[in-house]
Amino acid sequence: EPEVTQTPSHQVTQMGQEVILRCVPISNHLYFYWYRQILGQKVEFLVSFYNNEISEKSEIFDDQFSVERPDGSNFTLKIRSTKLEDSAMYFCASTLGAGGYEQYFGPGTRLTVT
Amino acid sequence: AQSVAQPEDQVNVAEGNPLTVKCTYSVSGNPYLFWYVQYPNRGLQFLLKYITGDNLVKGSYGFEAEFNKSQTSFHLKKPSALVSDSALYFCAVRPPASGTYKYIFGTGTRLKVLA
Repeated sequence: EPEVTQTPSHQVTQMGQEVILRCVPISNHLYFYWYRQILGQKVEFLVSFYNNEISEKSEIFDDQFSVERPDGSNFTLKIRSTKLEDSAMYFCASTLGAGGYEQYFGPGTRLTVT
Repeated sequence: AQSVAQPEDQVNVAEGNPLTVKCTYSVSGNPYLFWYVQYPNRGLQFLLKYITGDNLVKGSYGFEAEFNKSQTSFHLKKPSALVSDSALYFCAVRPPASGTYKYIFGTGTRLKVLA
């Protein structure tokens, strides 16, 4: 069964550094998402991406964040200058289409900012 | 503001007993409703969804959920719990507004099935 994959599984970085989190969505999916889960808290929507552009973003997704689909398979989340409060589990998800299609989630990248 | 509530942080149930994990939502219109399960160090795994039609939907691993529009609830159920069902369960809602494909998640409910 096809899966969403994410790398790395764990990233430790110093405050102020740039990080890139990578995701490979399911190959025929068209909509892509990033969510984050701060430890002990709920999963929060960051951004959705369709047709090579952002379709929606949350208040969390400020100018420090960017997303890109550099080729036909990868979907990346960049945090330009990390803060301590960016420490969280970041999940990538993809879905086949709009409407009632469910989203498929990757295993997550745990980002620790020190 | 749109929100999803899972009022119980943890649910304990004996193996073989029925289980219910509660979810209520506050979203205008007719949202799409989903349940996901998260095992340790794993991503969110889709269990089932309600889009339209029959209020009782069946999903993976013997789980089912009942949609109740008047109570704006979508409770997850299973007739006979297994120890292997122990995990973190998330309810998610997709608001119906055009172009809004994001999920709004509940805070999660940890299910513990005791042998």
